[in-house]
Amino acid sequence: GAVVSQHPSWVICKSGTSVKIECRSLDFQATTMFWYRQFPKQSLMLMATSNEGSKATYEQGVEKDKFLINHASLTLSTLTVTSAHPEDSSFYICSARGERGSSYEQYFGPGTRLTVT
Amino acid sequence: GQNIDQPTEMTATEGAIVQINCTYQTSGFNGLFWYQQHAGEAPTFLSYNVLDGLEEKGRFSSFLSRSKGYSYLLLKELQMKDSASYLCAAVPSGGSYIPTFGRGTSLIVHP
Repeated sequence: GAVVSQHPSWVICKSGTSVKIECRSLDFQATTMFWYRQFPKQSLMLMATSNEGSKATYEQGVEKDKFLINHASLTLSTLTVTSAHPEDSSFYICSARGERGSSYEQYFGPGTRLTVT
Repeated sequence: GQNIDQPTEMTATEGAIVQINCTYQTSGFNGLFWYQQHAGEAPTFLSYNVLDGLEEKGRFSSFLSRSKGYSYLLLKELQMKDSASYLCAAVPSGGSYIPTFGRGTSLIVHP
């Protein structure tokens, strides 16, 4: 099946610093990538949708200046959490959709666990 | 908007059969996903139902009734490794194909 990687798999940072998370589609071109956040025992909450070469579309309530998303190529999207605070601690998961498979199926990355101290 | 409802937690015995229900209310509907998510890991695809009826894939089957806004995931011959969270997600019509996820059902399989 299609493979999506994320890096890092976990990160601990100090409050006020910025953290960048990478999401890569390894064996297909991802025309669309999605960023989700998941708190313990909660559902996946869509943060934003990004299409290659265009600005990301953020869901209501998600601060675009705090969560910077860049989708510079068909295989790479990045999420930067700027000026992180403890409440940003969460499990961040990306997914990719592209030419592989059907138009509806998303392939998820393994997730990045962010802890802000 | 969309509303997805599924039980929070279920328990079952190894070797048994369990059915996880999901109801949805959407302004437009294309299909419904089921994903499996082990703790600390990303979701993995199980099924996508568009038409009414039951689709079987080995030990897992998924059912959809569009008129009732209802789906279920059926797991047979349960194994300990099936202990996980099971997420249903409804996909709206209109072309965006961005699913809305339910909270997930935590399934605990015990010996």
